[in-house]
Amino acid sequence: QVQLQESGPGLVKPSETLSLTCAVSGDSISSISWWTWVRQPPGKGLEWIGEIWHAGNTNYNPSLKSRVTMSLDKSKNQFSLNLSSVTAADTAVYYCARDTSGWRENDYWGQGTLVTVSP
Amino acid sequence: DVVMTQSPLSLPVTLGQPASISCRSSQSLVHSNGNIYLNWFQQRPGQSPRRLIYRVSNRDSGVPDRFSGSGSDTDFTLKISRVEAEDVGVYYCMQGTHSPHTFGQGTKLEIK
Repeated sequence: QVQLQESGPGLVKPSETLSLTCAVSGDSISSISWWTWVRQPPGKGLEWIGEIWHAGNTNYNPSLKSRVTMSLDKSKNQFSLNLSSVTAADTAVYYCARDTSGWRENDYWGQGTLVTVSP
Repeated sequence: DVVMTQSPLSLPVTLGQPASISCRSSQSLVHSNGNIYLNWFQQRPGQSPRRLIYRVSNRDSGVPDRFSGSGSDTDFTLKISRVEAEDVGVYYCMQGTHSPHTFGQGTKLEIK
């Protein structure tokens, strides 16, 4: 049973960097997979932030590209998201997930973590 | 970016009746490898999204067979043959063919 769990600060100040980690269990971060971040502002729809391939290749949403960095930590079996220079518009529930694009059967999602950007 | 347009945005349905959601993309979703990465997600109230259908018409494991997907190129449909109470939530189409992957606005299904 593959499980993902997001962790990180629930409150970030404007202009600072949002940092989240997704711990993976039941699968290896080195397995052939796309590890993905999706966010959802309160009461709104889903936005794809980007993904990182098990080998380290990344695809980012151009709307966030200059501010986003994703990485893998194979020693801890987790992957991370950094979003710099945050504003109130970055307030959202952040989800980590595996293989959402449809290239293979079965996706897996974390429960999501609310990050609020406020002074 | 590929724009995904869903309709309707609100869908009241009587229990046991069928339901249908349309999704249109602003450009073809046929990948260079010939696959179409059009997926459907369900988000129940207070829960994380979960995928129901991948690559147009393939059900993910554990998804009831009352859910089906169809379509091609730019026009896609999710159908529920007989709506049950547990189907309440928001449904999103999402394309994974072109980067960035993009979601539709969401369709809120409720019971009449």
